Amino acid sequence: EAQVTQNPRYLITVTGKKLTVTCSQNMNHEYMSWYRQDPGLGLRQIYYSMNVEVTDKGDVPEGYKVSRKEKRNFPLILESPSPNQTSLYFCASSSLGQGSYEQYFGPGTRLTVT
Amino acid sequence: AQTVTQSQPEMSVQEAETVTLSCTYDTSESNYYLFWYKQPPSRQMILVIRQEAYKQQNATENRFSVNFQKAAKSFSLKISDSQLGDTAMYFCAFGETSGSRLTFGEGTQLTVNP
Repeated sequence: EAQVTQNPRYLITVTGKKLTVTCSQNMNHEYMSWYRQDPGLGLRQIYYSMNVEVTDKGDVPEGYKVSRKEKRNFPLILESPSPNQTSLYFCASSSLGQGSYEQYFGPGTRLTVT
Repeated sequence: AQTVTQSQPEMSVQEAETVTLSCTYDTSESNYYLFWYKQPPSRQMILVIRQEAYKQQNATENRFSVNFQKAAKSFSLKISDSQLGDTAMYFCAFGETSGSRLTFGEGTQLTVNP
């Protein structure tokens, strides 16, 4: 089954404790992206990657890091989480060659930073 | 940079009736994609319908159709014969042809009443 998976689905952590949210896709997609969703703001892009070893900042990159060492994986790293990073996070992927640019989303990760 | 605006934070409709969700956007691009995504209480992001800007014909998917007005930069979603399962948050999104990002609106929470 074609899918984007994220782990963990729910996470409660404390300020300053480094964490990683994993994202993996099995569709051989070149493009992957991370979004955060906050009430009244919709989804905002954090980082994206057009291919392996190619990453770039989105609209709200502060406080986040990413890496793309393998085509299928795109982890999101919070080196020192703060309460304002409490949010719902989505990973997405798409094939740049298909021309429709439909993005496939993971199930989301609910992060709470206390 | 692109912006997407959904001016209706909440809407409600009676079962079997028709409802229209509004979306406007701003861009200097001539070619792009527009999407409507549905987010039910499960939080999963589900693609409802897609429109290519170079196509004048409005997209239709079963009970869902769009009214795309390129000159007015308007992209509304019409849901006919509303069903209880249509209750969800609906996001309008602008997609660049480079495939590098989706820009989302704030969302419209639609409630279908029995």
